[in-house]
Amino acid sequence: NAGVTQTPKFQVLKTGQSMTLQCAQDMNHEYMSWYRQDPGMGLRLIHYSVGAGITDQGEVPNGYNVSRSTTEDFPLRLLSAAPSQTSVYFCASSDRLIKNIQYFGAGTRLSVL
Amino acid sequence: GQQVMQIPQYQHVQEGEDFTTYCNSSTTLSNIQWYKQRPGGHPVFLIQLVKSGEVKKQKRLTFQFGEAKKNSSLHITATQTTDVGTYFCAGVKGGNKLVFGAGTILRVKS
Repeated sequence: NAGVTQTPKFQVLKTGQSMTLQCAQDMNHEYMSWYRQDPGMGLRLIHYSVGAGITDQGEVPNGYNVSRSTTEDFPLRLLSAAPSQTSVYFCASSDRLIKNIQYFGAGTRLSVL
Repeated sequence: GQQVMQIPQYQHVQEGEDFTTYCNSSTTLSNIQWYKQRPGGHPVFLIQLVKSGEVKKQKRLTFQFGEAKKNSSLHITATQTTDVGTYFCAGVKGGNKLVFGAGTILRVKS
């Protein structure tokens, strides 16, 4: 039981490049979320999903896309990377019955030059 | 939108001293959670408070939820070096969206 697995752990992009941050969970959780963490700003919700095929925007969705084709996977796509997207990204999942308690992955540290 | 303010931003204490971090919301929360993030790590759930005026303890950690369900605090008694990290509160107002405070960074001098 690995919990929430994020790949890659580190990534450097050039402005304008696109990439996908992977997130997978093996706990059969219905809820999954993406957050970004910036110094002094806590964790801000980017997108979230309440089940396969259902996604919705969080607080800071611009520049990011998500999809949820399976219960296990919730990839985050950066369409055209910008320096403002330099951050640490965390994926989290939660159980439908205790849906607010988040289990976080180890994070992806992204730098956009 | 809903905001959760957390203070202080940073605190440096001597080992054995107490530590407290506070969260305040502009609106009533259905519940509040606390997470701990070790340096270089990811947030880990500590506790959830649901009832007005609720107080919960975990060893040296005491969590409180205000009577109006708009504020909360985490108090650590006699800090240890293992307590270092960032402590986040996260408020819930219906649904599954958490709103995190900015966090309090705790450093402990031994």
